Amino acid sequence: DTGVSQDPRHKITKRGQNVTFRCDPISEHNRLYWYRQTLGQGPEFLTYFQNEAQLEKSRLLSDRFSAERPKGSFSTLEIQRTEQGDSAMYLCASSNIVGFTDTQYFGPGTRLTVL
Amino acid sequence: QKEVEQDPGPLSVPEGAIVSLNCTYSNSAFQYFMWYRQYSRKGPELLMYTYSSGNKEDGRFTAQVDKSSKYISLFIRDSQPSDSATYLCAMSGRTYKYIFGTGTRLKVLA
Repeated sequence: DTGVSQDPRHKITKRGQNVTFRCDPISEHNRLYWYRQTLGQGPEFLTYFQNEAQLEKSRLLSDRFSAERPKGSFSTLEIQRTEQGDSAMYLCASSNIVGFTDTQYFGPGTRLTVL
Repeated sequence: QKEVEQDPGPLSVPEGAIVSLNCTYSNSAFQYFMWYRQYSRKGPELLMYTYSSGNKEDGRFTAQVDKSSKYISLFIRDSQPSDSATYLCAMSGRTYKYIFGTGTRLKVLA
C-alpha cells in the first residue's frame, strides 16, 4: 500500500535560504493539496491542483511561496527567502474525485525549522 | 469568529470510557464532514467521512452531523490507550477545500 509520501521529513534552514519540498501522491489521484500546520493548530489550506492545473491559492501563500505539479504527478512546494514565521509542518494530501466524494489522504508531512 | 470551533482539550478519560468530541461551525454551505486522528509529529489519518446530516458508524467510532445546529460529533466507544492522539474535525462545501478545527488532544489512561 503506497500512501502519500513527502520528502524530506525534516528540514532545518537559516533565515533567508530557499527550501523545496516534494510530495508524491497516491498513484492516479487527480487532486493534490498543500496545507500548513503550526503547533496547536489544525492544518491550513495553502493551494491545490487538479492534475497539473493549480486551481486555488490561499492568501496565506505569499509571493515567496510557489508550488508546481508538472505532468500531474508529484508536486513541489518552494519557499524563497525563508523567515522564522515559516517554521511549521507542511502537509500534502491527495484525493480522487468520485461523484461528490473527495476524501483527502495525508502524507507524513515535512517539518521545517527556520533558524 | 473562526469558521470551525473545536475545544483544544486536553481531554483525559479512563480506558474503556466513551469519548465525545465535538465541533461547531458557522458556514451553512459546509456539507462534507470529516474526522481525522493525528499522532504527535505525524500526518492526519482519516477516521470518518460523512456527507450532510445523519449518523455513520464504523467499529468503535460513530460520527454525527446536525446541520440545523451546525454541530458535529465523534464518539469513541471502549476507548483504548492507543486512541490517545489529537482529533481534528474538518469540513468543506462544494469547493473541496477543507477547513479544519484546531484539534482536541485526547489522552486515554490505562
